[in-house]
Amino acid sequence: NAGVTQTPKFQVLKTGQSMTLQCAQDMNHEYMSWYRQDPGMGLRLIHYSVGAGITDQGEVPNGYNVSRSTTEDFPLRLLSAAPSQTSVYFCATNGGGGGYEQYFGPGTRLTVT
Amino acid sequence: GENVEQHPSTLSVQEGDSAVIKCTYSDSASNYFPWYKQELGKGPQLIIDIRSNVGEKKDQRIAVTLNKTAKHFSLHITETQPEDSAVYFCAASLAYTGNQFYFGTGTSLTVIP
Repeated sequence: NAGVTQTPKFQVLKTGQSMTLQCAQDMNHEYMSWYRQDPGMGLRLIHYSVGAGITDQGEVPNGYNVSRSTTEDFPLRLLSAAPSQTSVYFCATNGGGGGYEQYFGPGTRLTVT
Repeated sequence: GENVEQHPSTLSVQEGDSAVIKCTYSDSASNYFPWYKQELGKGPQLIIDIRSNVGEKKDQRIAVTLNKTAKHFSLHITETQPEDSAVYFCAASLAYTGNQFYFGTGTSLTVIP
């Protein structure tokens, strides 16, 4: 089992460009989340999903869109990249919501110039 | 929303000594408290967790304690080894409700051989 996979590993964007960060899991988990990690700020929740077709906002959702059409995939879209979105992005899954272990992907390091 | 504070931000210990990392939370409804270890270039990985109906939990050299009244919980690592060097994050969530985890800002632990 691959667990949680994320692509790409690294990405450089110019301000205003759009892109999609991919996340896929083979753990058959209903719950998936996107976090950003910035120095000194820990991990902050961007968006999360509790099942296919159901998404909700986290702490820092502005500038990001998500959708969940299948259990396996949970892509994160940056509509118009800004330098403030330079960060490391992690996707995570868990089996039952807030009280269950989260499994994190390896991350995508994004730089917006 | 929940606010999780974590201290210290950096910690250096001699190999064989103990390390203690402390976290406080603000929402008395939170009832699940995981600890994650993040090695360089990787996603966080769960090392131990505790639920609010338990005061202490141990797993070999790692233990977590929870004081619900004071709203704080701590990670204890005994007989530290160089491979314990990493960044450690605490988190809080409300079990069985949604999928929102709130993370501390991390502690960079260095174990000096």
